[in-house]
Amino acid sequence: DGGITQSPKYLFRKEGQNVTLSCEQNLNHDAMYWYRQDPGQGLRLIYYSQIVNDFQKGDIAEGYSVSREKKESFPLTVTSAQKNPTAFYLCASTLSRRGELFFGEGSRLTVL
Amino acid sequence: QKEVEQNSGPLSVPEGAIASLNCTYSDRVSQSFFWYRQYSGKSPELIMSIYSNGDKEDGRFTAQLNKASQYVSLLIRDSQPSDSATYLCAVTYAGGTSYGKLTFGQGTILTVHP
Repeated sequence: DGGITQSPKYLFRKEGQNVTLSCEQNLNHDAMYWYRQDPGQGLRLIYYSQIVNDFQKGDIAEGYSVSREKKESFPLTVTSAQKNPTAFYLCASTLSRRGELFFGEGSRLTVL
Repeated sequence: QKEVEQNSGPLSVPEGAIASLNCTYSDRVSQSFFWYRQYSGKSPELIMSIYSNGDKEDGRFTAQLNKASQYVSLLIRDSQPSDSATYLCAVTYAGGTSYGKLTFGQGTILTVHP
């Protein structure tokens, strides 16, 4: 089945640690995105990539980094510079320039 | 700053009624509009997309777009308890370098009670 796989689903981090969230898609979509959702809030764009080896900052990129070495993969690193990393992280992809996004199941990060 | 505004609710309707969810957006250039449904603890699921003025129907769902008023709505007919979720309105440009860069509203919580 085609889809977007995020891992891990739940992650606990100590303050000062970097963590990497995985996102893999087998939909052959060119564009991939990372969003963050806080409780009771909408989604906010962290980073996006529309082509391999290229990515752009979204609205809240500070404290995050990404890479896009393969079309299928778009990992997100939450660095120790991110002051409030506890959130629900959602990876998405699209094939269409009309922008319909399809989401993975999400990764819930908690900082202890 | 592009903004998308929704009533956070909660909106409570009885089973079988019509639920009406509303969304306004600030950027007149916006061209693609989406409604996502998100169950508690889950990721958003695309349920409707609309690109031109007027109504678009898909089963029990109808999306309505009025670009002059910068307003998009979602009607759910014959509401069921399984429709209870948060509904997110999202807006983006079509094409160019911005495709897929959705701006989301904060979501409206819908509760359908038996």
